[in-house]
Amino acid sequence: AQKITQTQPGMFVQEKEAVTLDCTYDTSDQSYGLFWYKQPSSGEMIFLIYQGSYDEQNATEGRYSLNFQKARKSANLVISASQLGDSAMYFCAMRSKTGNQFYFGTGTSLTVIP
Amino acid sequence: DAGITQSPRHKVTETGTPVTLRCHQTENHRYMYWYRQDPGHGLRLIHYSYGVKDTDKGEVSDGYSVSRSKTEDFLLTLESATSSQTSVYFCAISESRTEIYEQYFGPGTRLTVT
Repeated sequence: AQKITQTQPGMFVQEKEAVTLDCTYDTSDQSYGLFWYKQPSSGEMIFLIYQGSYDEQNATEGRYSLNFQKARKSANLVISASQLGDSAMYFCAMRSKTGNQFYFGTGTSLTVIP
Repeated sequence: DAGITQSPRHKVTETGTPVTLRCHQTENHRYMYWYRQDPGHGLRLIHYSYGVKDTDKGEVSDGYSVSRSKTEDFLLTLESATSSQTSVYFCAISESRTEIYEQYFGPGTRLTVT
């Protein structure tokens, strides 16, 4: 069975500091993809970053990077130089390359403090 | 932005009445998904489609049915709405032409069953 675990219901970070949001996953598949989405208070779901299970380098997209540790089955999101606009819910998700379904974690609420 | 619309955006209905939510896409993507989002549960898959008239159940499909008669439209029906189906419903699309398969989400429909 596929499962995504986000153990931090809420996080606080000072503006301009870096923050790490944790995500662990469970799968028996050899090929899969890992995703992070942002959901601001307005409600839309915004795709942030992707990591393939065979990618040797950690994915980066601007201020977002994904700390991928395959042996530990973790895919933590690192946000550098936090901004007030980063305050939102963040969801980790996984897709098996052999299937058509995505599996989401329960999310982490991030608050950036001025 | 991916061309995904959902209608209606808000709906209040009474227990026992049928409800249909519509998802429309202009991207010609193969895969379409319906999720519900509830506090503490993240996003949970209700049903998904991998082509016209090809659908499959997700983890919380009881009480819901779907139909996809055209590539661009994916309908979610609550045959007899219950209060436990009060939720925010998201449609998403995905395409297998790219390696990443990322999902793009619609704006959501807030459904209240009284």
